[in-house]
Amino acid sequence: DAKTTQPNSMESNEEEPVHLPCNHSTISGTDYIHWYRQLPSQGPEYVIHGLTSNVNNRMASLAIAEDRKSSTLILHRATLRDAAVYYCIPGTDKLIFGTGTRLQVFP
Amino acid sequence: EPEVTQTPSHQVTQMGQEVILRCVPISNHLYFYWYRQILGQKVEFLVSFYNNEISEKSEIFDDQFSVERPDGSNFTLKIRSTKLEDSAMYFCASRETTGGAGEQFFGPGTRLTVL
Repeated sequence: DAKTTQPNSMESNEEEPVHLPCNHSTISGTDYIHWYRQLPSQGPEYVIHGLTSNVNNRMASLAIAEDRKSSTLILHRATLRDAAVYYCIPGTDKLIFGTGTRLQVFP
Repeated sequence: EPEVTQTPSHQVTQMGQEVILRCVPISNHLYFYWYRQILGQKVEFLVSFYNNEISEKSEIFDDQFSVERPDGSNFTLKIRSTKLEDSAMYFCASRETTGGAGEQFFGPGTRLTVL
């Protein structure tokens, strides 16, 4: 299983963009890069995933480095509801959660 | 919007007792999972299940644990003889797509308290 490195915490103001980085230098060639988040007292929630190309969906964008050893989750306009722990998870099926990045969003 | 449901929301049991945690995955999903999260710790993978058999299991998933899909809709996790350290939030998840990726939908969890 690929190891990941994420900042323990990040802060943002509401309505501002947020860039959440992740290093996954041991990722294998077949691993997808998943991002999940966990709001307080809830189960994990899917955010986005990709393999090689950048991806966009209604929640976020995922920028994947050309060598795939790192990626960045982009929340275009943070809201208070985006305050959560964000997990970057390389893999193909089972999800191996690390400690993630705790995002605080201030009004 | 379809969702994964889990029952009960909270289960309290005595050490050594058997518990069964129940999950109803989304109806057209093919892959099923159990995870657990001890209070204040990481979410941990327990087991994955596909085509009526276990695909993969973690070291945590020892002989005390079993999973079953008894009737094509429910997906259950049984712990035969609970220990204090089994106290945790247990999450069920399901996924639709074949291949190695795709969104896993998580249920709200069952909080298991072993006394």
